[in-house]
Amino acid sequence: QAGLTQPPSVSKGLRQTATLTCTGNSNNVGNQGAAWLQQHQGHPPKLLSNRNNNRPSGISERFSASRSGSTASLTITGLQPEDEADYYCSAWDSSLNAVVFGGGTKLTVL
Amino acid sequence: EVQLVESGGGLVQPGGSLRLSCAASGFTFSNYWMHWVRQVPGKGLVWVARIDNDGSGTSYADSVKGRFTISRDNAKNTLYLQMNSLRAEDTAVYYCGTVYEYWGQGTLVTVSS
Repeated sequence: QAGLTQPPSVSKGLRQTATLTCTGNSNNVGNQGAAWLQQHQGHPPKLLSNRNNNRPSGISERFSASRSGSTASLTITGLQPEDEADYYCSAWDSSLNAVVFGGGTKLTVL
Repeated sequence: EVQLVESGGGLVQPGGSLRLSCAASGFTFSNYWMHWVRQVPGKGLVWVARIDNDGSGTSYADSVKGRFTISRDNAKNTLYLQMNSLRAEDTAVYYCGTVYEYWGQGTLVTVSS
């Protein structure tokens, strides 16, 4: 099953802003929106933003999600060392009748 | 507090079977579609299967179709994954969750002789 497209890696400096992208099509991101997950090495994924671009309780306001057409974006402001992690987007694909994930973006905070 | 606790993972020989369970608490389990997602250590997340909230509808990734069966018991707040005809490439950490809200901690399945 086809997945969503994310850049494999992004590097930014401490206290800078990183914008991660996730590209799908009209059957998934363009129609259903995308959720964003953060995963630190050896830990399970944690939801940062749901398909409606809302943050769960307890997630920092430094994380904000948006969508334009079939491309979803996650912006992280004021980068901190603990933000260094893998970030995944996910969406329901109405054509495949399946959840599709991006390949993940490894964020490095320099 | 929301909790999803997977169990049933372990070492199994190729061609063997395992049944994973996922015990849910802290949210209204019967209101949510539930999913299994797997991850080879160091690799990305891969969706495996889903079941809708009352169990009447399911769908599977092509790689597991015909071998895996997802089910649920809403009275017990528990999700299951019956895995048959296991292959080496099924080796992964298996997570249960709603995907868009809640995730479990994962259980490791290793298929090896």
